[in-house]
Amino acid sequence: QSVLTQPPSVSAAPGQKVTISCSGSISNIGNNYVFWYQQLPGTAPKLLIYDNNLRPSGIPDRFSGSKSGTSATLGVTGLQTGDEADYYCGTWDSSLSLVVFGGGTKLTVL
Amino acid sequence: QVQLVQSGAEVKKPGASVKVFCKASGYSFTNYYIHWVRQAPGQGLEWMGKINPSGGYTSYSQNFQDRVTITTDVSTSTVYMELNSLRSEDTAVYYCARAKSPRGTSCVYWGQGTLVTVSS
Repeated sequence: QSVLTQPPSVSAAPGQKVTISCSGSISNIGNNYVFWYQQLPGTAPKLLIYDNNLRPSGIPDRFSGSKSGTSATLGVTGLQTGDEADYYCGTWDSSLSLVVFGGGTKLTVL
Repeated sequence: QVQLVQSGAEVKKPGASVKVFCKASGYSFTNYYIHWVRQAPGQGLEWMGKINPSGGYTSYSQNFQDRVTITTDVSTSTVYMELNSLRSEDTAVYYCARAKSPRGTSCVYWGQGTLVTVSS
């Protein structure tokens, strides 16, 4: 059971937009920055979003992040087949004193 | 360029210990935290702990109940993660990762991963 809650899967057609939700509590998302990773099969995670809504160098602006209260959302526009991957949200949990992750969301581009 | 190179795959018996290394290059080693994250087959990400290579401060997940130790050798820019009292559930890919900001939580550089298999 993950501390942060994500939908197990989402899907959309190429070119469309999809959002992935991440729900937590005041001790994690509510009071700390959220980040998002993309993980392609057999590879290490890749940082997509940090500090709630910032993109590292090289990440296209098709990827966006937002946070409101104890929830965060990853948005992906202009879906491409190469976006098919697992996506994880994460943050620090001030009560547990550890980094917590969502269970991951599998994105399928139909 | 920043690189994190990890040691190779390990096969261990239940009850044994494993020590994985992560050699960093391409940046000032003591300026950034290193995190360890593992991923069991078909499962999600699990944070194990972190170390500040400058001074050796560590923080561990209590989920590992004192079984994990993270250390650093500044002279070789290497971080070590040792996990004791291995059980089958510890079979996973273990990753080291460098924080994006010096004391950050999000990680922008990752090692290639080390598969640890625990089997009798």
